[in-house]
Amino acid sequence: NAGVTQTPKFQVLKTGQSMTLQCAQDMNHNSMYWYRQDPGMGLRLIYYSASEGTTDKGEVPNGYNVSRLNKREFSLRLESAAPSQTSVYFCASSQGQHSGEQYFGPGTRLTVT
Amino acid sequence: AQTVTQSQPEMSVQEAETVTLSCTYDTSENNYYLFWYKQPPSRQMILVIRQEAYKQQNATENRFSVNFQKAAKSFSLKISDSQLGDTAMYFCAFNNAGNMLTFGGGTRLMVKP
Repeated sequence: NAGVTQTPKFQVLKTGQSMTLQCAQDMNHNSMYWYRQDPGMGLRLIYYSASEGTTDKGEVPNGYNVSRLNKREFSLRLESAAPSQTSVYFCASSQGQHSGEQYFGPGTRLTVT
Repeated sequence: AQTVTQSQPEMSVQEAETVTLSCTYDTSENNYYLFWYKQPPSRQMILVIRQEAYKQQNATENRFSVNFQKAAKSFSLKISDSQLGDTAMYFCAFNNAGNMLTFGGGTRLMVKP
């Protein structure tokens, strides 16, 4: 039982490049989330998917797109990376919208130069 | 919007002693969840303890316990018999039984031998 997995673990991009961060969970959870964590700060929600087929914006969605590919997978895409998107990105999942508790992946450290 | 405040950016404690981390939050909701997450240098977000607002009894998990004061909107974490492995960032988080976890800014805890 791997829980929540993310790929890649590290990535360096040049300004303007695009990339997709992958996330998968094997806990049969309905809801999935993408957060970013900037140095010395807590996590902030980028996008979430309450259930398969739905996605919604979180606190800081600008510059990102997401796809809920199926119940297991939720990807985050940066179309044109900017230095302000340098951060650590976490994927999380939960049983349902109202369960409260979320389980996190190991994170992806992204640097945009 | 909910806010979560951790007023102690850094704390230290001697091994085997007890330490309390503070957290306050602001909400107009009556039903919600509160969490403490631990983030060691590995970056993994690990759930330490959770508290449901409708439960008056304070949650306890082994050496970790909370002091939940609903009227004061306070949710502190007590770590007893501190161990070197407790060294980490600790984040307080709030969920209004919806989609967003709102995190505090974190407290860096150092356990000294």
